[in-house]
Amino acid sequence: DTAVSQTPKYLVTQMGNDKSIKCEQNLGHDTMYWYKQDSKKFLKIMFSYNNKELIINETVPNRFSPKSPDKAHLNLHINSLELGDSAVYFCASSQGPVNSYEQYFGPGTRLTVT
Amino acid sequence: GENVEQHPSTLSVQEGDSAVIKCTYSDSASNYFPWYKQELGKGPQLIIDIRSNVGEKKDQRIAVTLNKTAKHFSLHITETQPEDSAVYFCAAGNQFYFGTGTSLTVIP
Repeated sequence: DTAVSQTPKYLVTQMGNDKSIKCEQNLGHDTMYWYKQDSKKFLKIMFSYNNKELIINETVPNRFSPKSPDKAHLNLHINSLELGDSAVYFCASSQGPVNSYEQYFGPGTRLTVT
Repeated sequence: GENVEQHPSTLSVQEGDSAVIKCTYSDSASNYFPWYKQELGKGPQLIIDIRSNVGEKKDQRIAVTLNKTAKHFSLHITETQPEDSAVYFCAAGNQFYFGTGTSLTVIP
C-alpha cells in the first residue's frame, strides 16, 4: 500500500498557466509538508500543515497556495507559473513536529514550465 | 535562519570501503538529527536518526555520531555496496533544514 502518493508524477505546462498537485497519505499522520527540490538537489520546505492548520510558511511567493481539505490530503496550487518554478515537488507527512519525527516522502512531481 | 552545511558534495568509493559524510549546524536548540537517502527518481527515505541524548547509533552497516558541543554529526557507511549509491541528506534545526546533499557513488 502506498503511504504517501502524489499526482501527477510529471507536469509540463506553459508560463502563465495555473496548475495543481495533489497529495494523499494513508498513515494517519497529523502533519503534512510540501518541499521543492531544484536542479542542484537542494531540498527546501515550502509549507507544513498540522491538522489542517498552516504552521510553517517559508518565503514562498503567494502564487503558491496549499490547501488541506482534511488531514490526509494536502494539495498545492500554483498560479501564473514561471520558468523558475520548474523543479521536483515532494509531499511528505510525519506523525508529529518536523524537528522530531521521521518524514515519509511521496515519489515527487516533476514540474516543467516552458 | 538555520545553516546546515554538508560535506563532501560528491563522494566516490570502491565497493567494500567505508564512506563518511559530515554535517554541521548552527541552531543549538536542535535535538533531532536524521539522515535521508534519495535514490534516483524517488523521494528521500530515512535511513537512520539520532537524538541529542545519544552520542552514537548503529544499524548494521550504517552508523551516526553526534557531537553536540561542536555542533556536528556524521554518517558512516561501512562495507559499501553498489546499492548504497544515492544522494544522502542530513537535517537539523528547530525549523528543520536539510543539508545540501552528498552524491555517493560506490564503484564495483
